[in-house]
Amino acid sequence: DTGVSQDPRHKITKRGQNVTFRCDPISEHNRLYWYRQTLGQGPEFLTYFQNEAQLEKSRLLSDRFSAERPKGSFSTLEIQRTEQGDSAMYLCASSLEVGGGFFGPGTRLTVL
Amino acid sequence: GNSVTQMEGPVTLSEEAFLTINCTYTATGYPSLFWYVQYPGEGLQLLLKATKADDKGSNKGFEATYRKETTSFHLEKGSVQVSDSAVYFCALSAPRRGATNKLIFGTGTLLAVQP
Repeated sequence: DTGVSQDPRHKITKRGQNVTFRCDPISEHNRLYWYRQTLGQGPEFLTYFQNEAQLEKSRLLSDRFSAERPKGSFSTLEIQRTEQGDSAMYLCASSLEVGGGFFGPGTRLTVL
Repeated sequence: GNSVTQMEGPVTLSEEAFLTINCTYTATGYPSLFWYVQYPGEGLQLLLKATKADDKGSNKGFEATYRKETTSFHLEKGSVQVSDSAVYFCALSAPRRGATNKLIFGTGTLLAVQP
């Protein structure tokens, strides 16, 4: 297993378009997290899945954001009607144990 | 609420110098504490962790001790190398019943080591 993977690594889109990112966690990891990181800041929590259940969403996650983990394996994060303020690095992490986690390389989103 | 405060960078050192990056936290209960490192162009990597008071986490010559009395988890290394140049993030996870155990990060400290 090569760790957490994310696709795409970079995405450039125009304001108002929809985008979808994918995260493939380490196999057998039941916990999956999405974070967002802007320049010069630490990652901020967006949402959490335990298996296929989405158990927590941050207030940062507006109605334009939706995440799924349909079979408890890979996860997708969709942003509808993107805004320039959505430009950031979107990070996925997975873990088996409580606390911590292994991070993927991230998807860098640029909204023009 | 729970939060992490770490020293601002950049921290610029010469090779073989001693490194300290300060990190303090605010949390209810007994959090687990972490240091993550982000090398240029790469993703976040777990460097070390400690899960209870007085625990010392260590890896690759880096150490940090969980000090409950001072709510601190300072990162230290006795002799830095150019290859240690990266951004270092302090983080906590505050376990409680039914919680997600998400990570709360500090803002990161850029370390630049010069030959």
